[in-house]
Amino acid sequence: GESVGLHLPTLSVQEGDNSIINCAYSNSASDYFIWYKQESGKGPQFIIDIRSNMDKRQGQRVTVLLNKTVKHLSLQIAATQPGDSAVYFCAESFKAAGNKLTFGGGTRVLVKP
Amino acid sequence: EAQVTQNPRYLITVTGKKLTVTCSQNMNHEYMSWYRQDPGLGLRQIYYSMNVEVTDKGDVPEGYKVSRKEKRNFPLILESPSPNQTSLYFCASSLSWTASNYGYTFGSGTRLTVV
Repeated sequence: GESVGLHLPTLSVQEGDNSIINCAYSNSASDYFIWYKQESGKGPQFIIDIRSNMDKRQGQRVTVLLNKTVKHLSLQIAATQPGDSAVYFCAESFKAAGNKLTFGGGTRVLVKP
Repeated sequence: EAQVTQNPRYLITVTGKKLTVTCSQNMNHEYMSWYRQDPGLGLRQIYYSMNVEVTDKGDVPEGYKVSRKEKRNFPLILESPSPNQTSLYFCASSLSWTASNYGYTFGSGTRLTVV
C-alpha cells in the first residue's frame, strides 16, 4: 500500500478500547471541520463533520468534539476495531475561502488485537 | 457507484517528460481539486476548480497546470516534471464550491516518481 507518512504521531490502542485523536487547528475564523480516515493504498474517506455553531456531534461509533476557545478538535472512536487502523486527518475551512479545506498532519492509529 | 477515478495509479517518469494525470467524477460535482501528499507535510492543495472553465491556484501550484473543459474531468498536467514533484497525488470533488456537508470525495491516488 501507499505510505502516507513516515513521521506521523502514532496512537496504539487495544481492540475494544476507546480511541481519542486530537487536532489543533490554526484559523480562529474556521467554521467547518471534518475528520477523514485514510487506509493504506486509499484516498481519504469522510468520517464525520461539525460546524462551528456546535461543540459535539455523534455518528456511528464516532464523536467529534469542538473547543473553539482553544482551537481544538477531537475524534473519539468507541470500541476500536482492527478495521479502524488507519491515518486520521482533521480538516478545516471557512466561508471566505469557499470550499478550500486545510488539512492537519494526521495521526496514525494502530489497533492491537 | 459514485466515485472519483484517477489514472494512472502508479507512474515512473524521467525529468522533463510531459505527463498528464487524469481525474474524472460521476457525481455532477461542481468543485474539483488536486492535492499532493508528502511525508511530514500532509495534504497540500495544488489547484482547484469551482466550475467549468474556472480554475485557480492552491497553495503549491508551481510546476503544474490544470484544465476544466467539462464538468466531470479535471486533469493535472506536469509540463516538465522534476524530482521534487515525486509525490502521492489525490484528486477530490465536492458538490459545490461553498462549504458543504461531507466535504470532498477523494480518488484513490496516483503515486508519481520522477527520476
